[in-house]
Amino acid sequence: KQEVTQIPAALSVPEGENLVLNCSFTDSAIYNLQWFRQDPGKGLTSLLLIQSSQREQTSGRLNASLDKSSGRSTLYIAASQPGDSATYLCALEQGGGKLIFGQGTELSVKP
Amino acid sequence: ETGVTQSPTHLIKTRGQQVTLRCSSQSGHNTVSWYQQALGQGPQFIFQYYREEENGRGNFPPRFSGLQFPNYSSELNVNALELDDSALYLCASSWEGGLGEQYFGPGTRLTVT
Repeated sequence: KQEVTQIPAALSVPEGENLVLNCSFTDSAIYNLQWFRQDPGKGLTSLLLIQSSQREQTSGRLNASLDKSSGRSTLYIAASQPGDSATYLCALEQGGGKLIFGQGTELSVKP
Repeated sequence: ETGVTQSPTHLIKTRGQQVTLRCSSQSGHNTVSWYQQALGQGPQFIFQYYREEENGRGNFPPRFSGLQFPNYSSELNVNALELDDSALYLCASSWEGGLGEQYFGPGTRLTVT
């Protein structure tokens, strides 16, 4: 059974710091991995999608990597801003469009 | 291109009642998936509808049921509500049975008292 773990559960950093969020999974047979952002009480906003054949994806200050052999993905946020404060969720798909989510990392960026 | 919409935004029900939540998929998408997110947890897959048929189900009891309409909008019905059903219910739309990126709606916050 696939299990997805995100560490740390919560993170507080000063504005301007570069940071890395981690996502690990137990079964490497995945179709893709997606990172989402969730503001309190709101829906999910897709940040990056990495296909299983890809190693990384970049969008602006965000870079996500995928290493299937080690069962890990990281989300790198450069030059963090207070507006980046949110919960970040990773989710992987093993087929049929069913996403399996981690529990999320709650990020707080202090001005 | 219209995004994914859900209604209502918030809902309060009493234990034992029934509830219907609605989702309109993004323009051009024919697949809708429903997720339940308890407070402080990641979303859990309930089921998926593809071209008006159920196309996969998570570990949820039969009192969770759904429909998809010819315009690909969808409903989630929950009978005999329990306190543990209190959660944020999210729907996501995508192409062809869940290919590629999934786009989520804003969610419906259900509180069962």
